Amino acid sequence: AQKVTQAQTEISVVEKEDVTLDCVYETRDTTYYLFWYKQPPSGELVFLIRRNSFDEQNEISGRYSWNFQKSTSSFNFTITASQVVDSAVYFCALSEARQAGTALIFGKGTTLSVSS
Amino acid sequence: DADVTQTPRNRITKTGKRIMLECSQTKGHDRMYWYRQDPGLGLRLIYYSFDVKDINKGEISDGYSVSRQAQAKFSLSLESAIPNQTALYFCATSPSEHTDTQYFGPGTRLTVL
Repeated sequence: AQKVTQAQTEISVVEKEDVTLDCVYETRDTTYYLFWYKQPPSGELVFLIRRNSFDEQNEISGRYSWNFQKSTSSFNFTITASQVVDSAVYFCALSEARQAGTALIFGKGTTLSVSS
Repeated sequence: DADVTQTPRNRITKTGKRIMLECSQTKGHDRMYWYRQDPGLGLRLIYYSFDVKDINKGEISDGYSVSRQAQAKFSLSLESAIPNQTALYFCATSPSEHTDTQYFGPGTRLTVL
């Protein structure tokens, strides 16, 4: 069965700290896709990144970086030098290729609070 | 202008009322979805549509119905609203070339009293 676990329910940091959000997934497929979405206090869901199962290269985008490790079924998200504007709920999600175009399976989210 | 719009953005209604939530998109995507978000539960799929003639139930379709009026429009109806349908509802779309990636609208916050 497919499943996404975000064990950290809430994280609080002070500005400029680095923070890592954990995501562990379960799937029987060899081809799948992983995602991170950001939900700021305003409520919308913002797409951050898509990674397919054959691409284990880490990715960096500004202060954001993602570490994908198939060996541990993890797709962790790190924010470097956090800012107050990073305060949001972050969701990790999974889509199996054989069910592509159907449901995204979401984790329950991690609430990140960054204080000044 | 936003690519995926939802109306209304907020709605308060009473138990037993019929409610329709609307979603429109200018992305030209064929696939559209309705999810609901409940605190601490993440998002769960209600219905999805691959095109105007292809509509499918998701994980939690009971108590809901949908209508795909056109490629760009996908509506969600609650025939007889009940309090446990109080939630944040999201519409999403995905392109044919990357059907796995979904782009979400701003959400509709629905409260059923």
